[in-house]
Amino acid sequence: AQSVTQLGSHVSVSEGALVLLRCNYSSSVPPYLFWYVQYPNQGLQLLLKYTSAATLVKGINGFEAEFKKSETSFHLTKPSAHMSDAAEYFCAVSTDSGGGADGLTFGKGTHLIIQP
Amino acid sequence: NAGVTQTPKFQVLKTGQSMTLQCAQDMNHEYMSWYRQDPGMGLRLIHYSVGAGITDQGEVPNGYNVSRSTTEDFPLRLLSAAPSQTSVYFCASRSPGSNSPLHFGNGTRLTVT
Repeated sequence: AQSVTQLGSHVSVSEGALVLLRCNYSSSVPPYLFWYVQYPNQGLQLLLKYTSAATLVKGINGFEAEFKKSETSFHLTKPSAHMSDAAEYFCAVSTDSGGGADGLTFGKGTHLIIQP
Repeated sequence: NAGVTQTPKFQVLKTGQSMTLQCAQDMNHEYMSWYRQDPGMGLRLIHYSVGAGITDQGEVPNGYNVSRSTTEDFPLRLLSAAPSQTSVYFCASRSPGSNSPLHFGNGTRLTVT
């Protein structure tokens, strides 16, 4: 069984400040981890994914995430927040590097608010 | 590229009514799935399919039926709508390749009164 826990349903940061969205996972086998972003009234878009090639993964829009096996974490960061980063972010886990035929197991999401 | 297309975008049903949410993809993806999104719950898998003629249940399948007669289409049927099925529904697809991400549609917002 696998699961994902996202700490904080809402995170608020000032424009230009560091963004840190937390994700911890539980998996009985080596996991594949994903971050997706959802803008208002849209579907989800893949930000980045970890597939064991490198522990630090760079994604789109300046986001990156670091896989830490000892902490079972996959936190998402961005050095400087932009107003356009305001969205819902989902961490997800799978035992398949592509996300599995039966899809991903998602966290409950973190709503990122950017203060001007 | 249309990607994953869901129709309708919005729907209001009365309790007990039935309807079908449509999902079509033009990327020749073998894998397709349906999720529902509820506040504070994230996305939960309803049903999925690994190819035409093959479907299976996800985490929350009760009250929903699916079929997969073609690679392109994966409709989701609500047999007798209940207020608990008020949600936003997302269809997604991908190819079996290990580097192929899930592609999502823009969702159908369903309200059951």
